Amino acid sequence: EAGVTQFPSHSVIEKGQTVTLRCDPISGHDNLYWYRRVMGKEIKFLLHFVKESKQDESGMPNNRFLAERTGGTYSTLKVQPAELEDSGVYFCASSQGGEQFFGPGTRLTVL
Amino acid sequence: LAKTTQPISMDSYEGQEVNITCSHNNIATNDYITWYQQFPSQGPRFIIQGYKTKVTNEVASLFIPADRKSSTLSLPRVSLSDTAVYYCLVGEQTGANNLFFGTGTRLTVIP
Repeated sequence: EAGVTQFPSHSVIEKGQTVTLRCDPISGHDNLYWYRRVMGKEIKFLLHFVKESKQDESGMPNNRFLAERTGGTYSTLKVQPAELEDSGVYFCASSQGGEQFFGPGTRLTVL
Repeated sequence: LAKTTQPISMDSYEGQEVNITCSHNNIATNDYITWYQQFPSQGPRFIIQGYKTKVTNEVASLFIPADRKSSTLSLPRVSLSDTAVYYCLVGEQTGANNLFFGTGTRLTVIP
């Protein structure tokens, strides 16, 4: 069974550009989460989808971040425009009421 | 939410038993204790979860005293591949809630 996958694994962009991260959860998992770790900090929750609905987006840092999960399958996280402080590793996780399974993360570098 | 405190780092020789203790003085009645493991360039991975006393699986044991204000993750006979960061999390059991990661404990296994 395929685990949670994320694309791309790495992304290097310049300040002011737009980047879109993608997460494919484990098939059948209704819950999808985004987390991130910025340099030197702890892993922080960003938001939680239940199917296509945003259950909790209290961790989204500002309106430059937009997450979608159309159709309740894969999810995208867009950062527009990217700032230097957005650099870090973005993790996606999915669950079906039990443990959360994490993807390998996308390392975002904003120059 | 209950705050957790754990050592920043630990070193151990191969073949030894490693015990990592986590303090969570403000744990709530409904909270469970969950440990995640994270290898470099990977997302966190669920290891074990417990509510009280002792839980054991094929990877580790989790010891929780009666007052539940602390817990100890025990890794038997560690190998080099157990080098990772170990996170102690406290929260509701269901996977339909976001996770709050602390700083974690960086375990280094030495040959």
